[in-house]
Amino acid sequence: KQEVTQIPAALSVPEGENLVLNCSFTDSAIYNLQWFRQDPGKGLTSLLLIQSSQREQTSGRLNASLDKSSGRSTLYIAASQPGDSATYLCAVSNQAGTALIFGKGTTLSVSS
Amino acid sequence: NAGVTQTPKFRILKIGQSMTLQCAQDMNHNYMYWYRQDPGMGLKLIYYSVGAGITDKGEVPNGYNVSRSTTEDFPLRLELAAPSQTSVYFCASSYATGFSNQPQHFGDGTRLSIL
Repeated sequence: KQEVTQIPAALSVPEGENLVLNCSFTDSAIYNLQWFRQDPGKGLTSLLLIQSSQREQTSGRLNASLDKSSGRSTLYIAASQPGDSATYLCAVSNQAGTALIFGKGTTLSVSS
Repeated sequence: NAGVTQTPKFRILKIGQSMTLQCAQDMNHNYMYWYRQDPGMGLKLIYYSVGAGITDKGEVPNGYNVSRSTTEDFPLRLELAAPSQTSVYFCASSYATGFSNQPQHFGDGTRLSIL
């Protein structure tokens, strides 16, 4: 059974810092991996999607990497801003490709 | 751009009552999903649909039912509400499954309390 773990559960940093969020999964037979952002009381916003054949994806200050063989992904946020404060969720597609399996998330707080 | 619309946003039910959570998308997505999110936990899949008339169970389907009569709508029904069903429910849609590049788009959720 696929399990997704995110470390740390919470992270506080001052504005301007570069930071890394970690995601690990137990079964390397995935089809893609997505990183989401969730603001309090809101739904999920897709940030980056990495195909199983890809190693990384970039969008603005965000860079996500994928290492299937080791079952790991990282989300790198450059020059963090208070507006980046949110919960970040990692999810991998299940083996049937019919849905996503989520980690519990990392709650990020960026102070000005 | 409406995207995925969920109604209601909040609801309080008494134990044993029934209700339907509505979900509609205007992106012509074939695939739709229902997830629940409990405090401090990730999302868990309840049911999914790969097209009109086709639905299947996810990880936690007990106590729920779904139907998909149109591409746009995917309602979730609770028949006999129980306190364990207190949660935030999210509906999502996508063009395809994890086999493709298409990300899932989420609604803002329905916050349901069973008392």
